[in-house]
Amino acid sequence: DAGVIQSPRHEVTEMGQEVTLRCKPISGHDYLFWYRQTMMRGLELLIYFNNNVPIDDSGMPEDRFSAKMPNASFSTLKIQPSEPRDSAVYFCASSFMGWDSYNEQFFGPGTRLTVL
Amino acid sequence: LAKTTQPISMDSYEGQEVNITCSHNNIATNDYITWYQQFPSQGPRFIIQGYKTKVTNEVASLFIPADRKSSTLSLPRVSLSDTAVYYCLVNTGFQKLVFGTGTRLLVSP
Repeated sequence: DAGVIQSPRHEVTEMGQEVTLRCKPISGHDYLFWYRQTMMRGLELLIYFNNNVPIDDSGMPEDRFSAKMPNASFSTLKIQPSEPRDSAVYFCASSFMGWDSYNEQFFGPGTRLTVL
Repeated sequence: LAKTTQPISMDSYEGQEVNITCSHNNIATNDYITWYQQFPSQGPRFIIQGYKTKVTNEVASLFIPADRKSSTLSLPRVSLSDTAVYYCLVNTGFQKLVFGTGTRLLVSP
């Protein structure tokens, strides 16, 4: 398996523009997580899905952020409108509820977002 | 969610054993202890998890005393490639892995 795939790897945009980040989880995984990492706040969980259903979105900073998972192999994180404070590395991770992988999440390479 | 405390940074040399201790005084009965490793410009990577006593895999060992209020990640014979940030997490199940600031390990020649 290729692991978790994220696109784009880098995104530079201007304030006010819409940004869409994409994630393809590992095949067979039933959990998908979106994280954001900044120097100031570290690594934060934004939202996670189980079997394509959002379970907890309490980490989503505000209404400008939305996430969808239309099927088991694809998820998007959208920011509209984007602001400079949204600049961060966004990670997608997936996992499978197995007896020996209780807390093991597999992270993608991340998308580095810069909002000017 | 149990809060964890670990050193901000550690230095070591190639070939040495490195022990990173994490304290989690408020760990709950159902909490597991998990360690992740993160290299620059990469996502975190699972290293090891445990509930009590000792767990060992091909990468590291995890020591957990009986009271479970702390845990120690042991990396045997580190190399330059072990330079990374190491995160200690305690949580129940898959919900909300809370990453703290982690420990920055620098391995020198």
